[in-house]
Amino acid sequence: ETGVTQTPRHLVMGMTNKKSLKCEQHLGHNAMYWYKQSAKKPLELMFVYSLEERVENNSVPSRFSPECPNSSHLFLHLHTLQPEDSALYLCASSQDRSGPHYEQYFGPGTRLTVT
Amino acid sequence: AQSVAQPEDQVNVAEGNPLTVKCTYSVSGNPYLFWYVQYPNRGLQFLLKYITGDNLVKGSYGFEAEFNKSQTSFHLKKPSALVSDSALYFCAVRVLSGNTPLVFGKGTRLSVIA
Repeated sequence: ETGVTQTPRHLVMGMTNKKSLKCEQHLGHNAMYWYKQSAKKPLELMFVYSLEERVENNSVPSRFSPECPNSSHLFLHLHTLQPEDSALYLCASSQDRSGPHYEQYFGPGTRLTVT
Repeated sequence: AQSVAQPEDQVNVAEGNPLTVKCTYSVSGNPYLFWYVQYPNRGLQFLLKYITGDNLVKGSYGFEAEFNKSQTSFHLKKPSALVSDSALYFCAVRVLSGNTPLVFGKGTRLSVIA
């Protein structure tokens, strides 16, 4: 699969578990994003990384912890989640964060269920 | 603050008929407008964008959108709908000033009926 890949595609975890979501982009982009998609709500931007530096954190609870070891990889570490955190988590990348005309390319998402 | 409204949660259209998915926006400054499509169990796919110039923008899969500054709208259109066009469609807006994020609408579910 080319473009933006995400693993795992589905994840079920208990509230006391620790898990990680992985995203990889094969497009040579400099910016990467985590979004949360819940039913009947707009996409919620969680984190933005530009050249491996976190540049945005939209008041996301600390139980979500991002990591960007290089410009091609992005992780979202999860611990002690709540049932309301169940959602589709989407990773995206774009050529540059500051260029408003650059479209974002999305991965297929990880469907997370917290039990 | 910038915002996007998609006034219809659901649009139903017969196969072969023209389709329109509505989007209006509110920004301070010049907008950059985007349409994305999401098929079941997939991420969002970029369809088209308006940056500047011609108000009619053509994109993937035969879709087009018309930028109307006076009505602050960017409606998505297709002359002849296909059953395979059935999906969730998102409008999004961004402005040039500062490092503002891409703001998405809530999405419109399009159902094309054979």
